[in-house]
Amino acid sequence: GAGVSQSPRYKVAKRGQDVALRCDPISGHVSLFWYQQALGQGPEFLTYFQNEAQLDKSGLPSDRFFAERPEGSVSTLKIQRTQQEDSAVYLCASSLEDRGLEAFFGQGTRLTVV
Amino acid sequence: KQEVTQIPAALSVPEGENLVLNCSFTDSAIYNLQWFRQDPGKGLTSLLLIQSSQREQTSGRLNASLDKSSGRSTLYIAASQPGDSATYLCAVRGTDSWGKLQFGAGTQVVVTP
Repeated sequence: GAGVSQSPRYKVAKRGQDVALRCDPISGHVSLFWYQQALGQGPEFLTYFQNEAQLDKSGLPSDRFFAERPEGSVSTLKIQRTQQEDSAVYLCASSLEDRGLEAFFGQGTRLTVV
Repeated sequence: KQEVTQIPAALSVPEGENLVLNCSFTDSAIYNLQWFRQDPGKGLTSLLLIQSSQREQTSGRLNASLDKSSGRSTLYIAASQPGDSATYLCAVRGTDSWGKLQFGAGTQVVVTP
């Protein structure tokens, strides 16, 4: 596709439920990033992949958060046993090279935990 | 630890006026700086990317400057239009953390007709 695609756009989960958020990067983009954005705040880094390798996961807030990119293209962010504080917009971005080219963002997935 | 600050947090201007948005960062060891626009309920749209070796970038009515040594970037939007109403975010990529963009909280801009 022409841009970064994320699905679903909206997700409502009951507390304790597991969720999976999908990101389709721009074709050929090597680097893929996940960010979490709380209301009224700038995005916060979660994790970063170069191809299928997860090079930085320092931003994942707990071991309930897990991300994968097994074939170096599509990525999934999984949150286990969701809690209310996980409610946020989850943004995915991709870029052509690891070093410094523009990051292009998807529309995000708004997760609401009730 | 890198900290990125955007001032003001909100700005309202009449149509036709020039916009000046400020971004400051505490660690000058950056690889690049990127300006984004975010409309309500939407993702981020990249506006301008400035490499650390550059002083400014221009695209149409947008101009962004970078003073790495003083830890500042400024986004200028000439002759503002109501369609420019959005939140503008700046983000820096540090030389020691290639994968991580550090964002400011954004400046919410309203351009009134």
